[in-house]
Amino acid sequence: QSALTQPASVSGSPGQSITISCTGTSSDVGGYNYVSWYQQYPGKAPKLMFYDVSHRPSGVSNRFSGSKSGNTASLTISGLQADDEADYYCGSYTSSSTPYVFGTGTKVTVL
Amino acid sequence: QVHLVESGGGVVQPGRSLRLSCAASGFTFNIYSMHWVRQAPGKGLEWVAVISSDGNIKHYADSVKGRFTISRDNSKSTLYLQMNSLRAEDTAVFYCARETRDYETLWVFDYWGQGTLVTVSS
Repeated sequence: QSALTQPASVSGSPGQSITISCTGTSSDVGGYNYVSWYQQYPGKAPKLMFYDVSHRPSGVSNRFSGSKSGNTASLTISGLQADDEADYYCGSYTSSSTPYVFGTGTKVTVL
Repeated sequence: QVHLVESGGGVVQPGRSLRLSCAASGFTFNIYSMHWVRQAPGKGLEWVAVISSDGNIKHYADSVKGRFTISRDNSKSTLYLQMNSLRAEDTAVFYCARETRDYETLWVFDYWGQGTLVTVSS
C-alpha cells in the first residue's frame, strides 16, 4: 500500500487561503469517508484536525475546512496565520492488506 | 486528562528485539482500540498496528507483519509493541495513539503520546 500523495510544500502570506490536496485511489480516499487530517509541529506529536473528511473536532479553528471529490481529499486553511506553519498529513482507511495509510505530508510555510 | 507515555526505545543492533510500552491514564483504557504509528527521522507518518479494546483483534502494516506484535494489558492500562528481527529501516519515533470514541467513526486518532525513538544500527 503506497502512501497517499500530498504536495511536499504549500506556502501563502498571512490572511491568504491555501489548499492541501491528498490523492489516493478508490481503495482508500475515494472509497471511504474515513479520511482524517493531522497537524504536526517539529518535534511534537500529531494533532487531529479533521475526521470523516469534513468534521472538525471541538477546539479546532473554523478557519480550517475539509472536503473530498473522487479520490482526492482537500484541507483548506483560510486567513492564514503564522502558527499554521506546520506539517500536515492526511490519512485514510484502505481496503488493502495494510488497513490504514497516511499521506506523504505537506509542509505549510507562512511567508 | 488523557495521557499516553511511550517508553522502551533506544539503540539496538539489526536482527535484535525491542519491546515498547505505552502507559495510558486519564481515560477508561479497556474500551478503546489503540494504535502504533511511527515516523522515520525527517520522514512522514506510517501506521504500524492496531489492537481492539479486548485485545482479540489485531492488524498490522505489511512492512512489519510477522516481525512486530501488538498487545495490551488492560489491568495495567498499558499498550505494547514487541519488535523482532529489527532492520535499519525500522529506525523511527514510535507513537502510540488512541482511536477516538468521541465521534461515530473509525480509524481516527484523537490522542497521541510524545513518542519514543528506536534506532536500529550496528
